[in-house]
Amino acid sequence: NAGVTQTPKFRILKIGQSMTLQCTQDMNHNYMYWYRQDPGMGLKLIYYSVGAGITDKGEVPNGYNVSRSTTEDFPLRLELAAPSQTSVYFCASSFNAYEQYFGPGTRLTVT
Amino acid sequence: GNSVTQMEGPVTLSEEAFLTINCTYTATGYPSLFWYVQYPGEGLQLLLKATKADDKGSNKGFEATYRKETTSFHLEKGSVQVSDSAVYFCALENTGNQFYFGTGTSLTVIP
Repeated sequence: NAGVTQTPKFRILKIGQSMTLQCTQDMNHNYMYWYRQDPGMGLKLIYYSVGAGITDKGEVPNGYNVSRSTTEDFPLRLELAAPSQTSVYFCASSFNAYEQYFGPGTRLTVT
Repeated sequence: GNSVTQMEGPVTLSEEAFLTINCTYTATGYPSLFWYVQYPGEGLQLLLKATKADDKGSNKGFEATYRKETTSFHLEKGSVQVSDSAVYFCALENTGNQFYFGTGTSLTVIP
């Protein structure tokens, strides 16, 4: 099993550009999550999904969108990138909403 | 609301020293509590968990006891190794779907 994979690993965006962060898991987990981790801060939940076709907002959803058309994939979309979205983004999945399995992260810089 | 407060880092210890990282929480009801570890350049990994009061989670020589009376879940290890150098996150889960993370405590163990 590859676990949770994320692409890209690094990305630099200009203000106003858009992009999609990809997340795929091969563990057949129902729960999937997107977090951002700012320097010196804990993880903040952006969006989560409890199954295909179902998504919900977390603590910091503004400026982001998600979709969950399959169990495996949970892409995160940034429509109009802003410097405040410079962060490290982690995708995670879980079988039972207890133990989360994290991807390696995407480091995004918006300038 | 739900929140987690961790002791500020960074923490630097000599090999074989005793480790304590303090964690307290605020939550309604009966949350589950977790410690996650993040090694350099990687995503978070579950280290241990406790799902009810007085439970003790343990793994790889690390322990933490769920204390409802003091709303605490302090992480301890009797003898740290260089390989334990990482960032440690305390977290709680209280709604079945959302996790709340502390800001992380960086640990460096020197030979």
